[in-house]
Amino acid sequence: TQLLEQSPQFLSIQEGENLTVYCNSSSVFSSLQWYRQEPGEGPVLLVTVVTGGEVKKLKRLTFQFGDARKDSSLHITAAQPGDTGLYLCAGGLNKFYFGSGTKLNVKP
Amino acid sequence: GAVVSQHPSWVICKSGTSVKIECRSLDFQATTMFWYRQFPKQSLMLMATSNEGSKATYEQGVEKDKFLINHASLTLSTLTVTSAHPEDSSFYICSASPRTDTQYFGPGTRLTVL
Repeated sequence: TQLLEQSPQFLSIQEGENLTVYCNSSSVFSSLQWYRQEPGEGPVLLVTVVTGGEVKKLKRLTFQFGDARKDSSLHITAAQPGDTGLYLCAGGLNKFYFGSGTKLNVKP
Repeated sequence: GAVVSQHPSWVICKSGTSVKIECRSLDFQATTMFWYRQFPKQSLMLMATSNEGSKATYEQGVEKDKFLINHASLTLSTLTVTSAHPEDSSFYICSASPRTDTQYFGPGTRLTVL
């Protein structure tokens, strides 16, 4: 059983489209992280959210932490082929558990 | 900043041999390092938490005698896969944590056991 569930599992879209990835849990987290991973490499940290209701922006990426700190979302505006990758959320304090991952493919 | 290295990046070994993987934080000190395992097309599974100067804490189902972890300094942790078998073939990734809500990942080590 995954502590963190991500949806959708797979997403294939055209360049220029918008998309949202969700990360949900029945547990409360003191913080959540979002990562992007490319094949054969380690995950790269995109953002950490710590406050319920917090919204953080990273260029075309918008991250939101739910008010109850049980869920988070990642919204990408005008997706580009360079956004292709595996997006992972992770939660915890002192140790981290990963979500099931969302594999995004952006077609040119 | 926040660079973590792993060595080797890939290794092929015969069944029954042991393999050591190193994880180093290059520009920061990490009291805690984590070891993960990732199967193809799957997410990361936490194997163990390694604290400098103390014994590692293993997740349920992970054999501590098979996956030996040593955290000798604030910048180095090692994972030794003992008596490796083909089912141990996987992508092993470490991360280093400079504070409780953040971790930075190494590039991973691809282990293939023949």
